[in-house]
Amino acid sequence: DAGITQSPRYKITETGRQVTLMCHQTWSHSYMFWYRQDLGHGLRLIYYSAAADITDKGEVPDGYVVSRSKTENFPLTLESATRSQTSVYFCASRSGAGNQPQHFGDGTRLSIL
Amino acid sequence: GENVEQHPSTLSVQEGDSAVIKCTYSDSASNYFPWYKQELGKGPQLIIDIRSNVGEKKDQRIAVTLNKTAKHFSLHITETQPEDSAVYFCAASRLTGGGNKLTFGTGTQLKVEL
Repeated sequence: DAGITQSPRYKITETGRQVTLMCHQTWSHSYMFWYRQDLGHGLRLIYYSAAADITDKGEVPDGYVVSRSKTENFPLTLESATRSQTSVYFCASRSGAGNQPQHFGDGTRLSIL
Repeated sequence: GENVEQHPSTLSVQEGDSAVIKCTYSDSASNYFPWYKQELGKGPQLIIDIRSNVGEKKDQRIAVTLNKTAKHFSLHITETQPEDSAVYFCAASRLTGGGNKLTFGTGTQLKVEL
């Protein structure tokens, strides 16, 4: 029972570089989400997807790009990383049926130097 | 948009005592309120949730209460144990439309002391 997995778990990169965080779920959930977690802010939604090829912005989308070509994968790309994007990133998924909770991966800790 | 405030930010209790964490929300249309527990190095795990048509829900030592009129909800943990030490997050959303986007509180670090 793999559930939802994120990779890499840790990443260090430099400003201006492109970096992609991966998220894979084995439940065939239709909805997937990306959050960032920062001290004093809790978890803030970056982007979400209701199904393959359907994505929408969340609260803090600037500087991020997502795609969803397959139901099970939802990669998050920082096209030109900035220090303010240093954070812990969490992916989540939920069933499309009503009243279902979101299930989270264990996160990617990203440091941008 | 929705705004969720959570208090306290840190909470220390003695083992066996009760712990209460409180949240308020701003959007009167919110109707789903989950609570998540996050252990160090892990993602948030759902521990209990409540819908707006219910005032209280219990699951063993954990309970959640909801006051729709006042727009606040609370997590109650009784007979606390060391393994309850973690960060707890409340959240709010509308179940219909928008994909159940959650707005989270800023978290409460609970420490259960022996």
